[in-house]
Amino acid sequence: SQQGEEDPQALSIQEGENATMNCSYKTSINNLQWYRQNSGRGLVHLILIRSNEREKHSGRLRVTLDTSKKSSSLLITASRAADTASYFCATDETGAQKLVFGQGTRLTINP
Amino acid sequence: NAGVTQTPKFQVLKTGQSMTLQCAQDMNHEYMSWYRQDPGMGLRLIHYSVGAGITDQGEVPNGYNVSRSTTEDFPLRLLSAAPSQTSVYFCASSNSARGRQPQHFGDGTRLSIL
Repeated sequence: SQQGEEDPQALSIQEGENATMNCSYKTSINNLQWYRQNSGRGLVHLILIRSNEREKHSGRLRVTLDTSKKSSSLLITASRAADTASYFCATDETGAQKLVFGQGTRLTINP
Repeated sequence: NAGVTQTPKFQVLKTGQSMTLQCAQDMNHEYMSWYRQDPGMGLRLIHYSVGAGITDQGEVPNGYNVSRSTTEDFPLRLLSAAPSQTSVYFCASSNSARGRQPQHFGDGTRLSIL
């Protein structure tokens, strides 16, 4: 069963704008990860945030985690055409030996 | 540094045929897994392995078989292909069995079953 649910399913913005994607999950987790998938390629890891962390930054990426609301957000600032891709959240469920992926957000950056 | 290598990249099969999807990693990772990706479904875990000689079922294991004789290789076998197995298959590896570390993905095998 799917754990993470991304919102929105698709997002189209102009180059230079900020893009925000959200992920909600159902059970307790050890960590939450965000991945990017370019068309026709495999997933690439972007950032991992642990359950005891609230915010994490990596370059133009900012991830927040609210365990009380069981939700996370990924913010991409100053978007570029190269950011066009699908973005997935994945949760490491407490007690499990696997990551559970959401359905993804398809982000399109218009030049 | 090759990372995770999947072969073939594309394959067309007829219903009832069998085949093996190959996956190899050169990072000495203990944890390897197979996912399938279908439109609107995200990635679903088929099988995974926490080390050589140890495998376990994921969310959608039926119709698939795996083995792990070496740390490097984790092949996925389709026993009798069905149209419902048309999908894109991804292999991934990690140095953590519990999803505590990032997973490294191959570029996928696009499989069509006629």
